[in-house]
Amino acid sequence: AQSVTQPDIHITVSEGASLELRCNYSYGATPYLFWYVQSPGQGLQLLLKYFSGDTLVQGIKGFEAEFKRSQSSFNLRKPSVHWSDAAEYFCAVAPTEYGNKLVFGAGTILRVKS
Amino acid sequence: KAGVTQTPRYLIKTRGQQVTLSCSPISGHRSVSWYQQTPGQGLQFLFEYFSETQRNKGNFPGRFSGRQFSNSRSEMNVSTLELGDSALYLCASSRQENTGELFFGEGSRLTVL
Repeated sequence: AQSVTQPDIHITVSEGASLELRCNYSYGATPYLFWYVQSPGQGLQLLLKYFSGDTLVQGIKGFEAEFKRSQSSFNLRKPSVHWSDAAEYFCAVAPTEYGNKLVFGAGTILRVKS
Repeated sequence: KAGVTQTPRYLIKTRGQQVTLSCSPISGHRSVSWYQQTPGQGLQFLFEYFSETQRNKGNFPGRFSGRQFSNSRSEMNVSTLELGDSALYLCASSRQENTGELFFGEGSRLTVL
């Protein structure tokens, strides 16, 4: 069965500092990979996705993620965090044949201190 | 263009009752998926509908059901409510199947007393 691990439940970074959120997945083949963000009281918004090809993918709001097959990882990065980035971030995987059936990680809550 | 609209946003039910939640997808989107979000279990896939057909189903009991109409609007129903059904139910639409590019609504928060 597929699974997604986000080892950090909470992360606090200073505004302007860099950010890396970790994600590891377990799946027999290379799945579709996603990062979604959820602000309080809101639904989820897609930040970026990896289907195939270039292992470094760019997303919205200045985020990027790197797929590393050897480590089964898909870590999310941002060079300079803004206070508005405070939210909960979810890594997700989906089998390529059922791309809308996402399996989500437990989420990482990002706090930004000024 | 309008986003995914879910109604009602909040509702309170008692054990044993049933509930129907509604979702209007983004115009032109033909796939609608439903997810349950709870503090304990996180986000879990319920089911996906595309062109009025259920394409995928998650590991939920038969009390959870859904349907999709010809205009792509979707409803999900939970019968014989249990306390553990208290959750945020999120609907997401997608232009096609198998894209993973889901656009989520703000959810319907169900409290079961």
